[in-house]
Amino acid sequence: KNQVEQSPQSLIILEGKNCTLQCNYTVSPFSNLRWYKQDTGRGPVSLTIMTFSENTKSNGRYTATLDADTKQSSLHITASQLSDSASYICVVRGMEYGNKLVFGAGTILRVKS
Amino acid sequence: ETGVTQTPRHLVMGMTNKKSLKCEQHLGHNAMYWYKQSAKKPLELMFVYSLEERVENNSVPSRFSPECPNSSHLFLHLHTLQPEDSALYLCASSQTAIGNYGYTFGSGTRLTVV
Repeated sequence: KNQVEQSPQSLIILEGKNCTLQCNYTVSPFSNLRWYKQDTGRGPVSLTIMTFSENTKSNGRYTATLDADTKQSSLHITASQLSDSASYICVVRGMEYGNKLVFGAGTILRVKS
Repeated sequence: ETGVTQTPRHLVMGMTNKKSLKCEQHLGHNAMYWYKQSAKKPLELMFVYSLEERVENNSVPSRFSPECPNSSHLFLHLHTLQPEDSALYLCASSQTAIGNYGYTFGSGTRLTVV
């Protein structure tokens, strides 16, 4: 069973609207949690990184939150743009087995005009 | 560009063909990785190289053969692949293979096995 679960699997929203993507993980103990954006035909690019002591981190219109007690993270996108259409991947780095990365399956976001 | 370059971007090959994927980074990173990305699935780690030495092989079939001639280049040699091997193959690099350094990904090679 994958230790990082993301929801929803896919999402369609209108341009200008806000949305929130969820990530639940069981990786423990963990070093950090990253959100990546993967445009179609491209590799993943890091948006935010948070350690277990951080609750929120912003990068422009992207705001990530982390609740280390409930092992949940969210990525909130404000005033969505067409260029936000991509796959958003939650990645947790565990402290065991050489600090491996554990990837979620991603949420595919499509922003419509 | 991220600093990690993969070629070719797209590859169609028959099950009896032999081909190679190439990855190049000039970021000064010492670790390089091959990942397989299939639709709606998490990225699957295939191989890890640290300072040109393979440090991890995640039970990958022998029809995939990696090669790391130096810390800037990584190859994935393919032979007698199966249709289920069709996927996006991503190369990544990081400063070291351990620690909390971030990964830089290439754009991937979209492989189709016919």
